[in-house]
Amino acid sequence: EVQLLESGGGLVQPGGSLRLSCAASGFTFSIYAMSWVRQAPGKGLEWVSAISDSGGSAYYADSVEGRFTISRDNSKNTLYLQMNSLRAEDAAEYYCARGLATVDYWGQGTLVTVSS
Amino acid sequence: QSALTQPASVSGSLGQSITISCTGTSRDVGGYNYVSWYQQHPGKAPKLMIHEVSERPSGVSNRFSGSKSGNTASLTVSGLQAEDEADYYCSSYTSSSTLVFGGGTKLTVL
Repeated sequence: EVQLLESGGGLVQPGGSLRLSCAASGFTFSIYAMSWVRQAPGKGLEWVSAISDSGGSAYYADSVEGRFTISRDNSKNTLYLQMNSLRAEDAAEYYCARGLATVDYWGQGTLVTVSS
Repeated sequence: QSALTQPASVSGSLGQSITISCTGTSRDVGGYNYVSWYQQHPGKAPKLMIHEVSERPSGVSNRFSGSKSGNTASLTVSGLQAEDEADYYCSSYTSSSTLVFGGGTKLTVL
């Protein structure tokens, strides 16, 4: 059974940093691209970033380019999202998801709150 | 990276059929067959219902079907059931190697 378990969310002040993690199990992590998708309270889904299976290529939404960094450790079956210079508009539920062109499995999400 | 265009809401009676449209451009929906549809119930993670325009994952009811014409994709739900009431999102792979979602459609079953 595919499982994606996010962690690392919490309350952070504007301008602060946070690192999200996603522990994957139930599939061969190293052969799949992975994505982060977020959803602000009461709003729709927004794709944030993706990384290739090897980690050699990374892709970002314009809204986070230069502030967020996606990475992965295939030896630990773990996906990461380093979020710097956080803004109020970055507050959302952050989902880890398998795939890029087709996102087929989602975690349950971790909530990021940005407030002073 | 403009969002794909979906109607904000659709409704249908039990047993009827509804269709949700998803309009993009030649750089996303029209250019690739990587259109997916997701169902999201309140407080839950999204669930993949259709991928690659019209493919149903194992376990998804055959009441759900997808299609595409030009820059517009569509999701049809036939034989509406109460549990189909949810938010539905489309997504498409893009020419920038990114993913773009639609704004979401709230389906109400009357």
